[in-house]
Amino acid sequence: DAKTTQPNSMESNEEEPVHLPCNHSTISGTDYIHWYRQLPSQGPEYVIHGLTSNVNNRMASLAIAEDRKSSTLILHRATLRDAAVYYCSRFGGSQGNLIFGKGTKLSVKP
Amino acid sequence: NAGVTQTPKFRVLKTGQSMTLLCAQDMNHEYMYWYRQDPGMGLRLIHYSVGEGTTAKGEVPDGYNVSRLKKQNFLLGLESAAPSQTSVYFCASSYPADGAGEYNEQFFGPGTRLTVL
Repeated sequence: DAKTTQPNSMESNEEEPVHLPCNHSTISGTDYIHWYRQLPSQGPEYVIHGLTSNVNNRMASLAIAEDRKSSTLILHRATLRDAAVYYCSRFGGSQGNLIFGKGTKLSVKP
Repeated sequence: NAGVTQTPKFRVLKTGQSMTLLCAQDMNHEYMYWYRQDPGMGLRLIHYSVGEGTTAKGEVPDGYNVSRLKKQNFLLGLESAAPSQTSVYFCASSYPADGAGEYNEQFFGPGTRLTVL
């Protein structure tokens, strides 16, 4: 199966780190891992992407397993505004192999 | 910059009717995409375009047609709507992938909620 697998939901406390896992055991060597998030009634928003190395940006960090069969999106300090559905996706191929996962709904408690 | 805009925002159709969803972007992006989002299914790619005048099928293309006559516009057509096409439709755009296949971030529109009765 070419899709990614994520837990349906996760909970976090405000100002604590959150680790969102994703399994992509059939990913090809050239597929990039992208993460997007979606707030209620809005379009998805890009978070981060990477290929093999761990990546950091102002929003989050992406930790990619050495065998690339899994990855983890890390929100260093969750805020109430981070409550959203997070999609782990794989993008690759010359003609647009774009596969979104089904998403993890993250709830953040104050 | 308006980013990616979609019209209409909402639409109700009867089975068998036709309609066109319009997506426009003002970021000079080469790539454009149409997705549908159904409960519990995440986002699924319908069609995409890597440049003006070119289109290609995605994961769920049946029942839809697309056209990219201008770089900034990507149209999604339903010739004969069916209840199974009830969904939220998102358009997105991005800069092209580089030679190593690295896709850039996609910018999404606000979506069109379509109901087919």
